[in-house]
This record gives sequence, C-alpha cells and structure tokens, in this order.
Amino acid sequence: QVQLQESGPGLVKPSETLSLTCTVSGGSISPYYWSWIRQPPGKGLEWIGNIYYIGKTNYNPSLRSRVSISVDTSKNQFSLKLTSVTAADTAVYYCARVPIIHDAFDIWGQGTMVNVSA
Amino acid sequence: SYVLTQPPSVSVAPGETATITCGGNKIASRGVHWYQQRPGQAPVLVVHNDSDRPSGTPERFSGSNSGDTATLTINRVEAGDEADYYCQVWDSSSDFLAFGGGTKLTVL
Repeated sequence: QVQLQESGPGLVKPSETLSLTCTVSGGSISPYYWSWIRQPPGKGLEWIGNIYYIGKTNYNPSLRSRVSISVDTSKNQFSLKLTSVTAADTAVYYCARVPIIHDAFDIWGQGTMVNVSA
Repeated sequence: SYVLTQPPSVSVAPGETATITCGGNKIASRGVHWYQQRPGQAPVLVVHNDSDRPSGTPERFSGSNSGDTATLTINRVEAGDEADYYCQVWDSSSDFLAFGGGTKLTVL
C-alpha cells in the first residue's frame, strides 16, 4: 500500500529557506497529483500547493511569491521550498496525494513539525 | 478566494446524531470532501465528492450538499468519533483549494 513520508530539518532560522521532501513508497508517483498542506499549532489546515507528476504546479496565492514545489520521478519524491520564512511559517507540514484533479486527498503523510526560530 | 465556514464546535451524546455543516457560496456546484483529524494524527478522508465513503469509513458517516451548505452526518456517535472535522473544496475556475476552519466534535 502507498505510504508517504516527509523529511527535512525541524528547525529553520528566520529569513532562511524551508526545504522538505516527501518520499512515496509502495507505489508510483505517476500519474497522480501531489500536494503540500500545513497546520500551525492549534490551528486549521492550509493548502500550500500542488504538483502533477509531469511537473505542472499551482500554488496558494497567499504563498505564491515564496513557494516552489518540484518532483523527481526517478526517486519517487516531490519537494517543497518556502523562502524568507518567519515565525508564522511554524507548522506541521503534510504531504498528500490527489488521485484525480479536484478529487480529495486520499493518502497523507504523518506530518513533520518545522519550527522557525533563531 | 473561496471561503468555507464551519461551526467551531459541536457536542453530542454517545448514540446520538452529530451534524457538522460547511457553508460556502453555491457550494452545491462543487464536490465537497470531509476529513477527520484525531489529536496528534494526520487527517483521514471520511467522505469525498459530497457523499461517497472510502473503503474503511463506517456507514454511520454520510454526507450531503445542497444550496449553500454541505453537511457531514455521523449517526450513532461513538467516543472514538471525537476529533476535528474539516471540509474541503476545489475552486476549479481559479485552481485554488480551500479548507473550512474545522469543527471540533466532542462526545459528551
């Protein structure tokens, strides 16, 4: 069965770049859509953006100027970069799969906590 | 961007029926998905495309969508249903994805 695992630093300094990778195991990264979603402590879910396995992306307008999502099909991974982070970017970051565009997130990673602090 | 409105909290006694609403402009024209999130865990899909249940979701969970309100109904509520519930839609015209603010279901 398909599983997702987020990885990356748990602590990032303000103004630096947050970088996370999601590894897909038990299945192929194609032909699906893949997303990043985050959840600040004690708050709700916020969609960050999507990538199609061929590399087409779309992002939350509120983050578009700072976010980049890429895919590496040879490694069955996709990645998130968020630049110029502040304390407001502290959150649990989840990766998730969308089997068909505009469908639901059917598989989620367990999430990884990222703290932005000096 | 498209805004989804959920009540912050809903309380229900065991064995009763819980109703969680998700309000949005003409939401009936969009497919609504519902997620359950227990404390410290990742969200889990419980209903998609308004009323479809993934395998593994108990039949006690059902969804509907009409006008400006989508509804998640949980019949015969159990203690294990206590969790946060989020609705979600895609705005296909702008390719923007929206989550509701979440509803905390408390089983009394």
